[in-house]
Amino acid sequence: EAGVAQSPRYKIIEKRQSVAFWCNPISGHATLYWYQQILGQGPKLLIQFQNNGVVDDSQLPKDRFSAERLKGVDSTLKIQPAKLEDSAVYLCASSYGTGEQFFGPGTRLTVL
Amino acid sequence: SQQGEEDPQALSIQEGENATMNCSYKTSINNLQWYRQNSGRGLVHLILIRSNEREKHSGRLRVTLDTSKKSSSLLITASRAADTASYFCATSSGNTGKLIFGQGTTLQVKP
Repeated sequence: EAGVAQSPRYKIIEKRQSVAFWCNPISGHATLYWYQQILGQGPKLLIQFQNNGVVDDSQLPKDRFSAERLKGVDSTLKIQPAKLEDSAVYLCASSYGTGEQFFGPGTRLTVL
Repeated sequence: SQQGEEDPQALSIQEGENATMNCSYKTSINNLQWYRQNSGRGLVHLILIRSNEREKHSGRLRVTLDTSKKSSSLLITASRAADTASYFCATSSGNTGKLIFGQGTTLQVKP
């Protein structure tokens, strides 16, 4: 079974630039999550999708972050414009139900 | 916001010894999960314990849950160098499956 795919694995941008991350969940998983993990901390949920609907985006900085999952399969997370404090690893995860989550390898973002 | 607090923040042991990590949380939960993260990699699910369970085993892992104290522990027996990683507890409340992660414990197992 293929795991959660994410790209790119690494991205370096300058502040005020925009960036987009892509995630393809495990086939058949209806729920998709985007997390932000700052160095030395645990992951923090940014947004959760159930199929193509948003379940929770309470911690998504909506003035600069956006995410979509148009066909209920893969998803993109965008930051525009990026700030220095957005430097982190962005993790995508998927799940079949409300139990175990399967994580992708993450995208390490550095904002200079 | 991070619900879980993990203790210790860092742990260094010799191969073959046991490692114990603790997690405390604040609100009622449906289940508590433990994940492992190797440096520079994604998280891997280790074990899930439901709120009506007190203890669960998986190979060399033993997890306990005390809902009256709002705490959980992860015991890794007979540790190996390959167990070197960060370990996170995560709590699930409500019916959405949303997880709130702790800060993690960094475990180093010396060969």
